[in-house]
Amino acid sequence: AQSVTQLGSHVSVSEGALVLLRCNYSSSVPPYLFWYVQYPNQGLQLLLKYTSAATLVKGINGFEAEFKKSETSFHLTKPSAHMSDAAEYFCALSASGGSYIPTFGRGTSLIVHP
Amino acid sequence: GAVVSQHPSRVICKSGTSVKIECRSLDFQATTMFWYRQFPKQSLMLMATSNEGSKATYEQGVEKDKFLINHASLTLSTLTVTSAHPEDSSFYICSARATDRGWDEQYFGPGTRLTVT
Repeated sequence: AQSVTQLGSHVSVSEGALVLLRCNYSSSVPPYLFWYVQYPNQGLQLLLKYTSAATLVKGINGFEAEFKKSETSFHLTKPSAHMSDAAEYFCALSASGGSYIPTFGRGTSLIVHP
Repeated sequence: GAVVSQHPSRVICKSGTSVKIECRSLDFQATTMFWYRQFPKQSLMLMATSNEGSKATYEQGVEKDKFLINHASLTLSTLTVTSAHPEDSSFYICSARATDRGWDEQYFGPGTRLTVT
């Protein structure tokens, strides 16, 4: 069985501050991990993905995430928040070499204050 | 990049009627498409996996007679909500798996907001 836990349903930061969205996973096989962003009334857009290559993954819009096997984590960060980053963020996991169907976390709403 | 479209983006229907939602992969072939349902402020719930030319695989608890899925071509899957009720009101999102370009990735449509009155 596999699962994804996103700590904090809401994260609030000031514009220009560091963004940290937490994701922990559980998987019995080596995982593929993803971060998606969803703007209101829109579908999901892939920010970045980890597929067993480099553990530090850089994505679009200045986001990056680090895969830490020892901590079973895949936290998403951005050095400086922008107002346009306000959205819902989903961490997802799929099992490498097996079922492709991803398991999604419950999502974290990022609020950016001016 | 790979683009997935959904039509309509919003639909309002009366209770008891049926609604069809289309999901198209515009610039790639998708042998597998997925249908998700999302309630407000919640995550995506996988409803079913749609495979071209074969019957869809439904997740536990999803009524296959109520949510009819057809994947008639490599670029089109449809979800029909039959005899819709207000509790079926939700945001429905499809995704398509691109495997014909040398990579394996899932692309999401923009979603369809269904409101049943």
